[in-house]
Amino acid sequence: QQQVKQSPQSLIVQKGGIPIINCAYENTAFDYFPWYQQFPGKGPALLIAIRPDVSEKKEGRFTISFNKSAKQFSLHIMDSQPGDSATYFCAASRGGADGLTFGKGTHLIIQP
Amino acid sequence: GAGVSQSPSNKVTEKGKDVELRCDPISGHTALYWYRQSLGQGLEFLIYFQGNSAPDKSGLPSDRFSAERTGGSVSTLTIQRTQQEDSAVYLCASSIEAGNQPQHFGDGTRLSIL
Repeated sequence: QQQVKQSPQSLIVQKGGIPIINCAYENTAFDYFPWYQQFPGKGPALLIAIRPDVSEKKEGRFTISFNKSAKQFSLHIMDSQPGDSATYFCAASRGGADGLTFGKGTHLIIQP
Repeated sequence: GAGVSQSPSNKVTEKGKDVELRCDPISGHTALYWYRQSLGQGLEFLIYFQGNSAPDKSGLPSDRFSAERTGGSVSTLTIQRTQQEDSAVYLCASSIEAGNQPQHFGDGTRLSIL
């Protein structure tokens, strides 16, 4: 059972565009939702995270939108650059002894 | 070091051999996590340590897998009698404490079983 569904699998955007990656979760006990960026050969790096008591969080060019009633959250990348080309993972956690439950990832390419 | 350190970075071994993977978390981080990343399964959570204790080992894929943590710091993940399906990248992460705190990942060990 896939508890966090991520879409799209791949995405190509022109430089300066706003890629949007969407995730949906099933477990209402999740209360922490981070996004990770991963480059080839490297481990995932935390970008930004949100908790369900807020509907939006911005950090630099990255914004998370969160819809608790729909059990969905999304990542927006403003003014995207070729250096943003990477695989992005959404995740969710209940905290405590649970690890992160990850989506399947989105391979993002920003074309110059 | 400043980040999570994992060794070896690459490991190639023959089917049936035992392997030991090491994780050195960020200094002062009490919580430590192991994950596995493979093409077919994506990123899977394996096990969590708070200090030296792992309260739930049910995420380990089989009884060939074991993990321990000593001195509240370094952790080792051991795979006995390796199988080809064990081929994956094994990632370690640490956080300052348990609960919903940022987890910081190492670059992983790429394990290939011939």
